[in-house]
Amino acid sequence: EVQLVESGGGLVKPGGSLRLSCAASGFTLRSYRMNWVRQAPGKGLEWVSSISTSSSYIYYADSVKGRFTISRDNAKNSLYLQMNSLRADDTAVYYCARARAVAGTDFFDYWGQGTLVTVSS
Amino acid sequence: DIQMTQSPSTLSASVGDRVTITCRASQSISSWLAWYQQKPGKAPKLLIYDASSLESGVPSRFSGSGSGTEFTLTISSLQPDDFATYYCQQYNSYLYTFGQGTNLEIK
Repeated sequence: EVQLVESGGGLVKPGGSLRLSCAASGFTLRSYRMNWVRQAPGKGLEWVSSISTSSSYIYYADSVKGRFTISRDNAKNSLYLQMNSLRADDTAVYYCARARAVAGTDFFDYWGQGTLVTVSS
Repeated sequence: DIQMTQSPSTLSASVGDRVTITCRASQSISSWLAWYQQKPGKAPKLLIYDASSLESGVPSRFSGSGSGTEFTLTISSLQPDDFATYYCQQYNSYLYTFGQGTNLEIK
């Protein structure tokens, strides 16, 4: 059974840092592009970042570029999101999501349960 | 970036109704569109990919259609478990974008 379990969320002050982790099981992580998607309280879904299987291709949403860093450790079956210079509008539930490849692109077929990040003084 | 616009934002319907949600892309995305269902406090669940392919395990009352810039999600006969928020997502580019969501509520 595919499982994605996020951890590392919590309360942090504006300007602070936090590192999220996503532990993958039930599939071979190194075979899949992985993503972070967030959802602010009461709002819609916002894609944050993606990383290719070997970490060669990395993309970020403009809203987090230069502040967030995505990484992965295939040997540890883990995905990470280092978040620096956090702002109040980064407050959200952060989901990791697996991407299933199809004809040169991919979509999100499995999601974790999410971890809440609250940025507040 | 490709903008995705869903309509309506809220839809009130009854059990047994046939409902349709529309998603429009700001430029052509071929058939690279997915639909997700999300219930409060839960992660999104994949329903449809490639605009019209039903994900394994998803009831056949869900169907998707469209290509280019206009897409629809149809639920043929609403069941109590279907009241949720639905999102479309384009994956034509790796700068993925979602629609703003459609809240399907009980009339």
